[in-house]
Amino acid sequence: EDQVTQSPEALRLQEGESSSLNCSYTVSGLRGLFWYRQDPGKGPEFLFTLYSAGEEKEKERLKATLTKKESFLHITAPKPEDSATYLCAVQAPGAGSYQLTFGKGTKLSVIP
Amino acid sequence: DADVTQTPRNRITKTGKRIMLECSQTKGHDRMYWYRQDPGLGLRLIYYSFDVKDINKGEISDGYSVSRQAQAKFSLSLESAIPNQTALYFCATSDPGTEGGYTFGSGTRLTVV
Repeated sequence: EDQVTQSPEALRLQEGESSSLNCSYTVSGLRGLFWYRQDPGKGPEFLFTLYSAGEEKEKERLKATLTKKESFLHITAPKPEDSATYLCAVQAPGAGSYQLTFGKGTKLSVIP
Repeated sequence: DADVTQTPRNRITKTGKRIMLECSQTKGHDRMYWYRQDPGLGLRLIYYSFDVKDINKGEISDGYSVSRQAQAKFSLSLESAIPNQTALYFCATSDPGTEGGYTFGSGTRLTVV
């Protein structure tokens, strides 16, 4: 069974204090690993897709990396507007291969 | 207009009532999904459809049914609502040819009393 575990569950940072969120996964034949941002009361919003170990993608203050067992979302010099829940999801081959299995998310709070 | 539109945004219903949540998308994608989100449990798949004639159960389909009326429309029904179906429900669509995974709607917050 595909599993996705995100840590920590919650993270409080001071504005400008860089940190990383972790997503560890167990899946047979990863097809893709996705990062989403979710604001309260809204649907998840796509950030990145990573396909193979060693791949990295960046967007503004966010950088996502991927290894064979985990992915990190690095946040550099965060601002209060980066406060949100960050979701990780994996996609694997097999029956229903285009389904996503989500982790429970990391709630990030950036304090001014 | 939003790419994925869910109606209603909020709904309070009584135990035992039948309720339908609606979803429409303008992305032109064949694949549509219904997820529910509960605090501490994350997003869980209820049903998914890869085209109008293809409907599949997800992880937690008991107590739910769906209808794919057209490529753009996918509705979720609770046949007889119960309080533990109180949750935030999301519809999503995807295209395997794109890198972005799913496009989600804004959600329906359902409360069963």
